[in-house]
Amino acid sequence: NAGVTQTPKFQVLKTGQSMTLQCAQDMNHEYMSWYRQDPGMGLRLIHYSVGAGITDQGEVPNGYNVSRSTTEDFPLRLLSAAPSQTSVYFCASGRPNQEGAFFGQGTRLTVV
Amino acid sequence: SQKIEQNSEALNIQEGKTATLTCNYTNYSPAYLQWYRQDPGRGPVFLLLIRENEKEKRKERLKVTFDTTLKQSLFHITASQPADSATYLCALVRYNFNKFYFGSGTKLNVKP
Repeated sequence: NAGVTQTPKFQVLKTGQSMTLQCAQDMNHEYMSWYRQDPGMGLRLIHYSVGAGITDQGEVPNGYNVSRSTTEDFPLRLLSAAPSQTSVYFCASGRPNQEGAFFGQGTRLTVV
Repeated sequence: SQKIEQNSEALNIQEGKTATLTCNYTNYSPAYLQWYRQDPGRGPVFLLLIRENEKEKRKERLKVTFDTTLKQSLFHITASQPADSATYLCALVRYNFNKFYFGSGTKLNVKP
């Protein structure tokens, strides 16, 4: 099993550009989520999904969109990148009420 | 909103000693509390989960306690080794909420 796979690992964007961070899991988890991690801020939840067709906002959703058309995939879209979105992004999946979360290796995004 | 506090200062201990990390939470009582390890440049890795009705959980050299009166969890690593050096994150899951809430983590340095 590959677990949780994120692409790309690194990305540099110009202000105003859009892009999609990809996340795929092969563990048949209903729950998937996106976090951003900034120094001293810990992991902050952006959006999450509890199944195909169901998404909800986390703590810091502004500037990001998600959709969940399949159980396996949960892409995160940056609509118009801003320097404040420079961060490390993690995708995670799991069963919150039964076990821990499985994380991808992260995407380091820089917006210039 | 849920607040999770971990000591932001690094914990420096000598090899062989027991490391104790603290996680305090406010507002809502979690159904589950979890601990993760994160190495630089990597995603967090799940270590242990403890349920609301459990006081203590052990796994090899790791021990987690959960005091719902104090709203606190302690994470212990006995006979610590330099390889235990990492950042340790706590996370909680509330009843009927499909979300993980993470603390900002405490960095542990184990010196040989």
